[in-house]
Amino acid sequence: GAVVSQHPSRVICKSGTSVKIECRSLDFQATTMFWYRQFPKQSLMLMATSNEGSKATYEQGVEKDKFLINHASLTLSTLTVTSAHPEDSSFYICSAVRKGRTSGSSITDTQYFGPGTRLTVL
Amino acid sequence: QKEVEQDPGPLSVPEGAIVSLNCTYSNSAFQYFMWYRQYSRKGPELLMYTYSSGNKEDGRFTAQVDKSSKYISLFIRDSQPSDSATYLCAMRVNTGGFKTIFGAGTRLFVKA
Repeated sequence: GAVVSQHPSRVICKSGTSVKIECRSLDFQATTMFWYRQFPKQSLMLMATSNEGSKATYEQGVEKDKFLINHASLTLSTLTVTSAHPEDSSFYICSAVRKGRTSGSSITDTQYFGPGTRLTVL
Repeated sequence: QKEVEQDPGPLSVPEGAIVSLNCTYSNSAFQYFMWYRQYSRKGPELLMYTYSSGNKEDGRFTAQVDKSSKYISLFIRDSQPSDSATYLCAMRVNTGGFKTIFGAGTRLFVKA
């Protein structure tokens, strides 16, 4: 089955530092990847949509200058949390879309999730 | 009103019980419905997906969609302790935008 990896799985950093999280689709090419944030006992909140070769699309209320997204290849998207603060501590999850084999049909497109990265900012 | 409503639980059942998990939604344009299972500190794992209304069965899991009532369900038969996890419903309009809306997730505990 499709596999999406994230690195690192957890990171602890000091306030004011920047943290980069990588998301890779291991056995398929993904033109679209998504970045989510999940606080304890809450659902996934979409932060941004990452499209290969173009600028990311950010959801309302998400600071694009703070959460830098780069989708440099069809298998890699990175999220950089710049000048992290304790309120940025959260579980960050990426997902990648694998296109279905049926031409022109979006029904069989499948969204796979990475294992998540737990960020703790001291 | 949230687009997708899901009771966060927790729901505690004995091993072997039938579990019923539900979500309601408000956007009648949703056509693609999914259930994800998420273990603690892990990413969500796709369990089942259904397009439009109807039932879908996969082993011990059955997904139901009732678009007229804007109500979806996931049934787990013969529940096992390994089924203990958070179950998230998710749905989207079937367009190229691929924006998926998630429920809050229901925490399930299956006691041995």
